[in-house]
Amino acid sequence: DAGVIQSPRHEVTEMGQEVTLRCKPISGHNSLFWYRQTMMRGLELLIYFNNNVPIDDSGMPEDRFSAKMPNASFSTLKIQPSEPRDSAVYFCASSLGGLNSPLHFGNGTRLTVT
Amino acid sequence: GQNIDQPTEMTATEGAIVQINCTYQTSGFNGLFWYQQHAGEAPTFLSYNVLDGLEEKGRFSSFLSRSKGYSYLLLKELQMKDSASYLCAVVYQLIWGAGTKLIIKP
Repeated sequence: DAGVIQSPRHEVTEMGQEVTLRCKPISGHNSLFWYRQTMMRGLELLIYFNNNVPIDDSGMPEDRFSAKMPNASFSTLKIQPSEPRDSAVYFCASSLGGLNSPLHFGNGTRLTVT
Repeated sequence: GQNIDQPTEMTATEGAIVQINCTYQTSGFNGLFWYQQHAGEAPTFLSYNVLDGLEEKGRFSSFLSRSKGYSYLLLKELQMKDSASYLCAVVYQLIWGAGTKLIIKP
């Protein structure tokens, strides 16, 4: 089992640029989550999908953030335009069955916006 | 409001036992997770409590009291590799605590 795969592992970009983070969940998992982690705010849920449908996006900070899941094996989180305060580690996680199942996290993408 | 409290940091000695507490006040409750996160890595699943009582899994045990809004993670025979942050999360919109950084000293 390859686990949850995220790319890129590191991303450094300038303020105002578009950033796209990618995630491949574990095969057979029907729920996918995007999290952001910072020292100040800890782990924050941005959005989660169930069977490719967004269920809760209340954690998405603002319109600059968008997430898609076009099929069961791929999701993207896009930030446009990026700002320095978006600097964080972004984790993707998947589970077999929504919130009540253990999450399997990817290795994360460390985003730095200068 | 929704609130989960954990100690920020704890220190323990190799070979000893440590208990990490988690208290919560949430609008609902379906269960509580514990995760371990080593520095620079992703969180990994440790335990899931739905009913009151103690769940034992090797050197790690987790306890839940729903009436008290309280859980703890018990780590026995501490090893240096147990140095990590430990996060509890309440399964009701999956609310996360800030995590407890555990430092193990020889």
